[in-house]
Amino acid sequence: GDSVTQMEGPVTLSEEAFLTINCTYTATGYPSLFWYVQYPGEGLQLLLKATKADDKGSNKGFEATYRKETTSFHLEKGSVQVSDSAVYFCALRAGSNYKLTFGKGTLLTVNP
Amino acid sequence: DAMVIQNPRYQVTQFGKPVTLSCSQTLNHNVMYWYQQKSSQAPKLLFHYYDKDFNNEADTPDNFQSRRPNTSFCFLDIRSPGLGDAAMYLCATSRDLGGSGGPREKQYFGPGTRLTVT
Repeated sequence: GDSVTQMEGPVTLSEEAFLTINCTYTATGYPSLFWYVQYPGEGLQLLLKATKADDKGSNKGFEATYRKETTSFHLEKGSVQVSDSAVYFCALRAGSNYKLTFGKGTLLTVNP
Repeated sequence: DAMVIQNPRYQVTQFGKPVTLSCSQTLNHNVMYWYQQKSSQAPKLLFHYYDKDFNNEADTPDNFQSRRPNTSFCFLDIRSPGLGDAAMYLCATSRDLGGSGGPREKQYFGPGTRLTVT
């Protein structure tokens, strides 16, 4: 079945450091890929998405590129801020399926 | 602001005592979802409604039921909670425009209800 594997956390960085959170997936066909973010006490929010190979999703300085050859969708940001502290979830949706399949989430803490 | 609201945010129930979790939305979306997220695990879809049509995931236990009396509200009923049902329950909505290619609209999530079973 479909699955998403993302790097174990927690990740702790200093402000302005470079961030990478790795995500790989297994799916039949051509899934759409997503990163969701969950700030403390809030629901999951869509951060960015990509729907086909080589697409780059971007939002709020975060980027991720859909790599079909490596089945990956790694999240990157060049300079993190304290306000980026949250849990980040990688997810996929396969074909016409309504279900989102999530990774376990990665807790990011950014210190001033 | 339009949003997805879940009540209560924290729910404690006793082993075997039925419990209902609520979700409401002001987005007027036609699809509503319930996900279960156990500690340190990925959120897992239990079921979703497309309008009034109920769609159960194959591995969702019979102990979990849902009702959607109207567009705005959706309920998760756990008939006989066990200790293993303690989790965060997430409600989400999306708007499906129809047509080919399957769902394309993003899902909007509520803040979740944390269920404790004693």
